[in-house]
Amino acid sequence: DAKTTQPNSMESNEEEPVHLPCNHSTISGTDYIHWYRQLPSQGPEYVIHGLTSNVNNRMASLAIAEDRKSSTLILHRATLRDAAVYYCILRRPNAGNMLTFGGGTRLMVKP
Amino acid sequence: EAEVAQSPRYKITEKSQAVAFWCDPISGHATLYWYRQILGQGPELLVQFQDESVVDDSQLPKDRFSAERLKGVDSTLKIQPAELGDSAMYLCASSLTSTGSYEQYFGPGTRLTVT
Repeated sequence: DAKTTQPNSMESNEEEPVHLPCNHSTISGTDYIHWYRQLPSQGPEYVIHGLTSNVNNRMASLAIAEDRKSSTLILHRATLRDAAVYYCILRRPNAGNMLTFGGGTRLMVKP
Repeated sequence: EAEVAQSPRYKITEKSQAVAFWCDPISGHATLYWYRQILGQGPELLVQFQDESVVDDSQLPKDRFSAERLKGVDSTLKIQPAELGDSAMYLCASSLTSTGSYEQYFGPGTRLTVT
């Protein structure tokens, strides 16, 4: 499986933007970049995914580098409810939609 | 909003006992996954079903773990006998299908403690 590298933890102030980085230098041309997050005592939840172009949805934005070797999840205004572990995952199409989770980034939001 | 249901939410069992977890995926979702999450780590896939068939169980410890999805709807994961190292969160997830780019929806999990 292609591997992703994320910082173990990050800290943010409430109502400020947060940029969560992810490196995936061994990404292949058909790998999708997925982000999930896991709030305390809950199962993971889908945040966003993309292939080549930047993506926006109601939760976040995903910025993908031109060479696709890195990506950044952007939370435009962090709230206390955004405190969670954020996982960056590469998914191979036609590989059963499998998700291989790494350690993720623990985001702490300060009021 | 439709959700993945899991029960029980918490289970304490003694080692060498049998334990079972149940999962009801979102209606219409053909693909069902069981994950194990050890404290402080990301979830690890144990088994994946497409309808009633096992697609991938390469990480399932088959000497003690079994999983079934007899009618292609709900699913049961069993451990017999339980060992101390099985203490973890067991998560069930479902997706519309296993091809294409469909998100997985996770249940709240069952936290297992083996004493």
